Amino acid sequence: TQLLEQSPQFLSIQEGENLTVYCNSSSVFSSLQWYRQEPGEGPVLLVTVVTGGEVKKLKRLTFQFGDARKDSSLHITAAQPGDTGLYLCAGPLTTGTASKLTFGTGTRLQVTL
Amino acid sequence: DAGITQSPRHKVTETGTPVTLRCHQTENHRYMYWYRQDPGHGLRLIHYSYGVKDTDKGEVSDGYSVSRSKTEDFLLTLESATSSQTSVYFCAISESTDPGRQFFGPGTRLTVL
Repeated sequence: TQLLEQSPQFLSIQEGENLTVYCNSSSVFSSLQWYRQEPGEGPVLLVTVVTGGEVKKLKRLTFQFGDARKDSSLHITAAQPGDTGLYLCAGPLTTGTASKLTFGTGTRLQVTL
Repeated sequence: DAGITQSPRHKVTETGTPVTLRCHQTENHRYMYWYRQDPGHGLRLIHYSYGVKDTDKGEVSDGYSVSRSKTEDFLLTLESATSSQTSVYFCAISESTDPGRQFFGPGTRLTVL
């Protein structure tokens, strides 16, 4: 059972369009992370949101953490081909021995000219 | 970029053979993780380490073992490879108890025939 569900699974859009990707859970997280993964490479951390209702911007990318800290969204304005990749949300799981992350299933974005 | 290498980068093996994947870091980070990535499942944690000789199981640990005899090296072993273990394997490292900030290696693509 996935703790974090992402939607949509696939998204194909043209350059210049806007899009939103969602990450939802029935569990409360102390923080949520967004990673981007390009083909043949490992994921790279984009941002961490910590406070309920928090909004963070990274150039054309806007990340929001839900008020109840159960969900998050990623909005891309005026998408470019360089935004193509797999977007993963992740959240920490509390453990006595080490810190662990659980990942969502990912949203695969393709931006075409 | 964090100094993480994985070897080999690609491997094809036969069912029933043992396989060892290596993750090497030059960052002196305490925490190291092994994930597998499969379509529709995102990244799933196999095993992790919170120090030299300190390891624990993740969510999909059956059929895998790990060892960490030095800070910089984390080995993942498939004692008797099966076709269900065909996957892309990623190593990640983390410096602190904040699990969100993980740095990933480039991945190893393993095919078990």
